[in-house]
Amino acid sequence: DAGVIQSPRHEVTEMGQEVTLRCKPISGHNSLFWYRQTMMRGLELLIYFNNNVPIDDSGMPEDRFSAKMPNASFSTLKIQPSEPRDSAVYFCASSLARSQNTEAFFGQGTRLTVV
Amino acid sequence: AQSVTQLDSHVSVSEGTPVLLRCNYSSSYSPSLFWYVQHPNKGLQLLLKYTSAATLVKGINGFEAEFKKSETSFHLTKPSAHMSDAAEYFCVVSDKKSGYSTLTFGKGTMLLVSP
Repeated sequence: DAGVIQSPRHEVTEMGQEVTLRCKPISGHNSLFWYRQTMMRGLELLIYFNNNVPIDDSGMPEDRFSAKMPNASFSTLKIQPSEPRDSAVYFCASSLARSQNTEAFFGQGTRLTVV
Repeated sequence: AQSVTQLDSHVSVSEGTPVLLRCNYSSSYSPSLFWYVQHPNKGLQLLLKYTSAATLVKGINGFEAEFKKSETSFHLTKPSAHMSDAAEYFCVVSDKKSGYSTLTFGKGTMLLVSP
């Protein structure tokens, strides 16, 4: 398997524009996570899906953020409208959540810069 | 609620000397614990994991970690640092929340290795 695939790797956009980040989890994995990484806050869990259903979105910062998982092989994280403070690296991770012992596998991340 | 405290934001060692990265956790359940490594501009890679089998866990690249329940610690060690070990290291705790496993990350420790 190619691992967790995220696109794009880098995104530069202007404030107010819509941004869509994409993730393809590892085939067969049933849990998917979106994380945001910044110098100030470190790694923050934004949202967590299990079997395509959002389980915990308490980490989503504002209504400007939304995430979907229409099927087991694809998820999106959308920011509309984007703001400079959204600049960060966004990671997608997937796991086969049979138990708490299962580790998550991370994508390479999308570096978002909002100017 | 679960949490992770990485006691040092930066650790500096010389090549060939031992490495110690400290991690303390709190969890309402019997947790699983992980260490991940992140090299610059890369995703996160699993180093090792503790899942209640052996308390001393061996990982990749010569790293080890020992689970000490009485101290609620899971410190990461390596006998001899290599230049390629320079990276950021994350301690992670996983336990059940509402029937699902969630991962909580520490703030990270940056390991600097000098020649």
